[in-house]
Amino acid sequence: NAGVTQTPKFQVLKTGQSMTLQCAQDMNHEYMSWYRQDPGMGLRLIHYSVGAGITDQGEVPNGYNVSRSTTEDFPLRLLSAAPSQTSVYFCASSYSGQYGYTFGSGTRLTVV
Amino acid sequence: QQPVQSPQAVILREGEDAVINCSSSKALYSVHWYRQKHGEAPVFLMILLKGGEQKGHEKISASFNEKKQQSSLYLTASQLSYSGTYFCGTEVQTSYDKVIFGPGTSLSVIP
Repeated sequence: NAGVTQTPKFQVLKTGQSMTLQCAQDMNHEYMSWYRQDPGMGLRLIHYSVGAGITDQGEVPNGYNVSRSTTEDFPLRLLSAAPSQTSVYFCASSYSGQYGYTFGSGTRLTVV
Repeated sequence: QQPVQSPQAVILREGEDAVINCSSSKALYSVHWYRQKHGEAPVFLMILLKGGEQKGHEKISASFNEKKQQSSLYLTASQLSYSGTYFCGTEVQTSYDKVIFGPGTSLSVIP
């Protein structure tokens, strides 16, 4: 099992550009979430999903879109990148609400 | 909705004990505990579900007081490998599909 795979690991964007952060898991987990972590800060929830076709907003959803067409994949789209979106992005998945989350290794995004 | 963690930071000598606290203003369905080492992803330690339980994992254990909406993580006889930032994550009873994390507690274990 690869676990939770995030690509790319590093990305530099110019302000206004759009991109998609990829997240895939091979553990048949229903629950998937996206978090961002700024230097010295905790993890803030962007969007989450409890199954294919179901997504909802977290604490900081503005500027991001998600979709969940399959159980395995949960991509995060930045619509028009801003310097405030410079952060480390973590994707995480869980079997259900009574289990812990497995995190991917993260994507370090810099917006200039 | 973000849980509160205390202390913000703690420094221990090897072999000493530590307690990290997590509290919420809302009724909780569960409390998660994770450890993150510098430059790495968070790693799941344990989850406590409502019902007021205590769990153990090697020399790391945790309790959950549902009535007080609080959880505590206990690290006994600390080892150098325990260093990192500890996060609690909470699921509230009215919205238990998402985990909201606290700001973290930085733990440093020195020889």
